[in-house]
Amino acid sequence: GAGVSQSPSNKVTEKGKDVELRCDPISGHTALYWYRQSLGQGLEFLIYFQGNSAPDKSGLPSDRFSAERTGGSVSTLTIQRTQQEDSAVYLCASRTGTSGNEQYFGPGTRLTVT
Amino acid sequence: GDSVTQMEGPVTLSEEAFLTINCTYTATGYPSLFWYVQYPGEGLQLLLKATKADDKGSNKGFEATYRKETTSFHLEKGSVQVSDSAVYFCALSLLYNFNKFYFGSGTKLNVKP
Repeated sequence: GAGVSQSPSNKVTEKGKDVELRCDPISGHTALYWYRQSLGQGLEFLIYFQGNSAPDKSGLPSDRFSAERTGGSVSTLTIQRTQQEDSAVYLCASRTGTSGNEQYFGPGTRLTVT
Repeated sequence: GDSVTQMEGPVTLSEEAFLTINCTYTATGYPSLFWYVQYPGEGLQLLLKATKADDKGSNKGFEATYRKETTSFHLEKGSVQVSDSAVYFCALSLLYNFNKFYFGSGTKLNVKP
């Protein structure tokens, strides 16, 4: 399919370990977003990338969180020294650069920190 | 600042009841407005959108009209089904910075047979 894909779908890790979450956006989409959704909560913006511009990192909750986007396509969200409060679903979305166009979301990665 | 406010849930309705989920926004300029739906265990899907004042978005029996005078984008459906049970998110993107999206907190809808 041509949708946004994320991997892994589920990740269980021990407190203190690092994790990497991957997002493959729709081909040709120049903007890519990461959000966090805690159980029963709304979406918390983390970071977005637009083409070759500097990413907007204003939503990253701490310096343990980082993300990169290689070649304007695939993105990896890295959480270092995971804490239990990092447990959540991490959603990725992409969109074209045209005003008024919607975001397309992936299915998410459920992260559980034990 | 720019933001979206939507009614708190959960909203519980019987099948075939009328649905309204309120959404109001604060934005500089003229945003584009969206409703997304999230079914259990899934990501968000676009339900409908409107990009200018007085536009009506519609899909799957749901409708929402972009009301600039009341800064609102309420979601309505005339007759809900059990399969409509999900969480609904209102969102906006800004004309001058259309890569930035703002989401409401979500409204959970439970439809009982």
